[in-house]
Amino acid sequence: KQEVTQIPAALSVPEGENLVLNCSFTDSAIYNLQWFRQDPGKGLTSLLLIQSSQREQTSGRLNASLDKSSGRSTLYIAASQPGDSATYLCAVHSSNTGKLIFGQGTTLQVKP
Amino acid sequence: ETGVTQTPRHLVMGMTNKKSLKCEQHLGHNAMYWYKQSAKKPLELMFVYSLEERVENNSVPSRFSPECPNSSHLFLHLHTLQPEDSALYLCASSQEPNLGTSGGWYNEQFFGPGTRLTVL
Repeated sequence: KQEVTQIPAALSVPEGENLVLNCSFTDSAIYNLQWFRQDPGKGLTSLLLIQSSQREQTSGRLNASLDKSSGRSTLYIAASQPGDSATYLCAVHSSNTGKLIFGQGTTLQVKP
Repeated sequence: ETGVTQTPRHLVMGMTNKKSLKCEQHLGHNAMYWYKQSAKKPLELMFVYSLEERVENNSVPSRFSPECPNSSHLFLHLHTLQPEDSALYLCASSQEPNLGTSGGWYNEQFFGPGTRLTVL
């Protein structure tokens, strides 16, 4: 059974820091991996999607990497800003079930 | 309207009430989903509809009843809910080119803002 774990559960950093959020999954049989952002009480905004054949994707200050064989992904945020404060969710598309399996998220606070 | 919209955004209901959640996608997608997000738990898939047909029911209690009248609209009918059903209910959609052939839905999913449901 696919399980997705995100560490840390919460993170607080001063503005301007570069930071890394971690995601691990137990079954390497995946089609792709998505990173989402969720603001309090709101829906999910898709940030990056990495296909299983890819190693990384970049969008602006965000860079996501994928190491399928070791079951890990990282989301790198450069020069963090207070507006980056949100919960970041990692989800994998299981190729066994076709379902999107979510981690519990990392809640990020960037202090001015 | 663009993307995926959901109404209402907030709903408070008693255990004996009947209410419905509505989702509409303006992306021309052919698959729609209901997810439940409870406090301290990961998002859980509830239902999947492809081409207006329910193709997945993730062991959801019968007090939740989905309806998909067309490819743009998805409803979740609620009746005799329990307080533990209080959660954020999220709708999503995606465009799946290989529907029905491989048993899964693999493309990027786009989410609505959710309905915050409180059951008293």
